[in-house]
Amino acid sequence: QQQVRQSPQSLTVWEGETAILNCSYEDSTFNYFPWYQQFPGEGPALLISISSVSDKKEDGRFTIFFNKREKKLSLHITDSQPGDSATYFCAASRGDTGYQNFYFGKGTSLTVIP
Amino acid sequence: AQTIHQWPVAEIKAVGSPLSLGCTIKGKSSPNLYWYWQATGGTLQQLFYSITVGQVESVVQLNLSASRPKDDQFILSTEKLLLSHSGFYLCAWSLRTVEQYFGPGTRLTVL
Repeated sequence: QQQVRQSPQSLTVWEGETAILNCSYEDSTFNYFPWYQQFPGEGPALLISISSVSDKKEDGRFTIFFNKREKKLSLHITDSQPGDSATYFCAASRGDTGYQNFYFGKGTSLTVIP
Repeated sequence: AQTIHQWPVAEIKAVGSPLSLGCTIKGKSSPNLYWYWQATGGTLQQLFYSITVGQVESVVQLNLSASRPKDDQFILSTEKLLLSHSGFYLCAWSLRTVEQYFGPGTRLTVL
């Protein structure tokens, strides 16, 4: 059973537009949701994260919107740049301070056209 | 300076041959360490985790094993490689917080 689902699988936007990447999860005990950015041939880099006590987290051009009731979240990338072209993974965990079991979605491949 | 180093950067190995991949963490005391596998174009699957030296727990069975011989070192190995072992192997670390940070990865091709 897929614990974390992402959509769309791929997304193309023009430079300057807002890209919206979606994520949903199954387990209501998940309370920490990081987003990772991965370029080809590199390891994923932590981009931004949110805990379930918040409904919004902003960091520059990147914003997470979180709906706990619907078990959905989205990553908004405003003023998209060609350098944002990458695969974005949503993950979920129970946020324990010991061992962290992260469940990852299948990723959204974002292409930003200049 | 980079916190996490993985070696080798890439490997091409034959089916049935042994494998050893390594990961070293610098500047972090007693980190939690993790091994992940990523199929080409795929999601990340956690394989092993270690909270302390000498203790490793398996998350999924993929005919692989892991060891933590030192506080800052995590090793992934197998005696006999399968075609299905091909992919991208990522080491990650965390401290006593929820964030996990990934290394640059090792690309493994099994022929």
